[in-house]
Amino acid sequence: GENVEQHPSTLSVQEGDSAVIKCTYSDSASNYFPWYKQELGKGPQLIIDIRSNVGEKKDQRIAVTLNKTAKHFSLHITETQPEDSAVYFCAASIGGSSNTGKLIFGQGTTLQVKP
Amino acid sequence: DTGVSQDPRHKITKRGQNVTFRCDPISEHNRLYWYRQTLGQGPEFLTYFQNEAQLEKSRLLSDRFSAERPKGSFSTLEIQRTEQGDSAMYLCASSWTPGPQHFGDGTRLSIL
Repeated sequence: GENVEQHPSTLSVQEGDSAVIKCTYSDSASNYFPWYKQELGKGPQLIIDIRSNVGEKKDQRIAVTLNKTAKHFSLHITETQPEDSAVYFCAASIGGSSNTGKLIFGQGTTLQVKP
Repeated sequence: DTGVSQDPRHKITKRGQNVTFRCDPISEHNRLYWYRQTLGQGPEFLTYFQNEAQLEKSRLLSDRFSAERPKGSFSTLEIQRTEQGDSAMYLCASSWTPGPQHFGDGTRLSIL
């Protein structure tokens, strides 16, 4: 079945360093890849997304890259700050041509930014 | 606040009881999704609506689960005869077709 693998499961960095989280997906029809940040007791918050016709997208300190051939996509956070500490989830759409919008999520990465 | 709203935030119930959760999507969004999230895992898709039509249900959604979206506005998710394994966070998201999904803060269900 369709799945999304996310690595690492935990990531600890010093404030100001960069953080990279990687995901691979199995469904060749996936065409939409969002990233969510989830803080304790809250729902997932969309932070950036990318569609399959784009290789890279950047929004201030956050960037996402997509390699469709290898079915890999990654989240890059530069100049990390303590408030970036949270659980991050990647996701991929399922059944791209049918455009259901249904998402399958990775297992999450707990990011800790040490002051 | 114009985000997705879910009620209640927490629900504690005894095994075998029925529970109902409500989701109010962002007002102009025509799609509404329900997901379930267990501790340490990512959200899992349960079902979704486009306007008032329920278009897809996951195999995870047993016959004890039912969802409605009357008039294409708010949605309810009901679980009948709750079981221990139903303990989870139930998340609602909405979007404008096609578009990014925005999540509410969820309803945490605990089964005693």
